[in-house]
Amino acid sequence: DTEVTQTPKHLVMGMTNKKSLKCEQHMGHRAMYWYKQKAKKPPELMFVYSYEKLSINESVPSRFSPECPNSSLLNLHLHALQPEDSALYLCASSPTQGLNVLTFGAGSRLTVL
Amino acid sequence: EDQVTQSPEALRLQEGESSSLNCSYTVSGLRGLFWYRQDPGKGPEFLFTLYSAGEEKEKERLKATLTKKESFLHITAPKPEDSATYLCAVQAEAGGSYIPTFGRGTSLIVHP
Repeated sequence: DTEVTQTPKHLVMGMTNKKSLKCEQHMGHRAMYWYKQKAKKPPELMFVYSYEKLSINESVPSRFSPECPNSSLLNLHLHALQPEDSALYLCASSPTQGLNVLTFGAGSRLTVL
Repeated sequence: EDQVTQSPEALRLQEGESSSLNCSYTVSGLRGLFWYRQDPGKGPEFLFTLYSAGEEKEKERLKATLTKKESFLHITAPKPEDSATYLCAVQAEAGGSYIPTFGRGTSLIVHP
C-alpha cells in the first residue's frame, strides 16, 4: 500500500460546528504532516508529527487541533472555524522527519459557512 | 522574502512545443530540491529529488536539473496530459529539522 487516504473528500461546516479530518497511511512512515492550501497558492505547513509526537506547530490557531492516535492515523479536529479557513487540507507522510519524499493524500476540501 | 521562486507563474504550450520551468532558491545549506506535480483538487505527486549541483534526473518527457542557485524542469514534446501545476520544494537544515518550503508553482496548460 503506497497511499495516503484522507476522509472526507469534501466537508461543509458552520462556524459553530465541530468536525474532524482523518488521514491514514500503511507504509510504515513515522512522520505525518498537515498542510493547508488555498487556491493558486503553495501548500503551507501546519503541523508535523514524528513518531506520534507533535514535532512542529507552525503557530496554527487553537481552533485547529491535531491528534496522532497511532503511527498510521492522523486527525485534525476543527472547532469554531472562520470562513477564511476554507481551503484544501492536505495530509502527507514520509519515512521519517528528515530529507525524505512526502507522499500526499488527495486532500479534504473544507468550506466554512 | 520568498526563499523559493518559481517562474513563469503560468505557461501555455502547444502539444509538442518544448519548454522549461524555473525554480530559484536562496536558502543556505540546501539538502535537497524536490519537484512535485499537482492536478486540480488533488495532492501533489512526487516527481524528482535533486541533491547536488550538476545532478540530473529524467522521467519520460521530463528532465530536472540543478545548479547552485536554481533548478529547471525541462518538458520535451509535451502532451495535454502533462497539464498540471508543477511545484518546487527545497529542504535546508533549520535547527535540525528538514521541512520543505514550497514555491508558488507553475501552472502548465498544454493545448492539443
